[in-house]
Amino acid sequence: DTAVSQTPKYLVTQMGNDKSIKCEQNLGHDTMYWYKQDSKKFLKIMFSYNNKELIINETVPNRFSPKSPDKAHLNLHINSLELGDSAVYFCASSQGLGTVAEQFFGPGTRLTVL
Amino acid sequence: AQKITQTQPGMFVQEKEAVTLDCTYDTSDPSYGLFWYKQPSSGEMIFLIYQGSYDQQNATEGRYSLNFQKARKSANLVISASQLGDSAMYFCAMRGISKLTFGKGITLSVRP
Repeated sequence: DTAVSQTPKYLVTQMGNDKSIKCEQNLGHDTMYWYKQDSKKFLKIMFSYNNKELIINETVPNRFSPKSPDKAHLNLHINSLELGDSAVYFCASSQGLGTVAEQFFGPGTRLTVL
Repeated sequence: AQKITQTQPGMFVQEKEAVTLDCTYDTSDPSYGLFWYKQPSSGEMIFLIYQGSYDQQNATEGRYSLNFQKARKSANLVISASQLGDSAMYFCAMRGISKLTFGKGITLSVRP
């Protein structure tokens, strides 16, 4: 059983398009995250949701809109895609927000904008 | 603000030898957690080990141990008896209140 799953695994699209990435976790966790890993492998948090409420929004362009329909799902919608959006996007989840809360990562979605 | 620093260039180690991957951090949070993740070429992020800021003993998980020196603000990962499958990118991360901050990562190559 996959703990944190993301779809699609690969996404190739043209500049200006709108696309979505879906994330689901079956761990019963109450907190989910989106990270962006750029071409230099640097991982940076984008958003965090706790019990469906947005708690972290790290200066991400408003073309990116996360949506959490329930605690097990956190989707990422991107409008008007730009070349610089090309990256690997990781979803993660944890139980709680405390310092011991280990994050479990999904397999990543490689987005390529042409 | 939290900051994680990993400054080593690509590391090389001979199979079966031990290797230390360096990590220093900075935070004003009184309580925090330190994590190491492995990212092989296949791309997934694999949790390796955790150290709490108030833990008295250094964490160990199989061949992985964390050399935690709080006064120096360092949390180095030690991999004993390196295996070819250890070749990967390794990220140090720190969790304060709600947020996990990653370092830039270190590439480790294990030579046969």
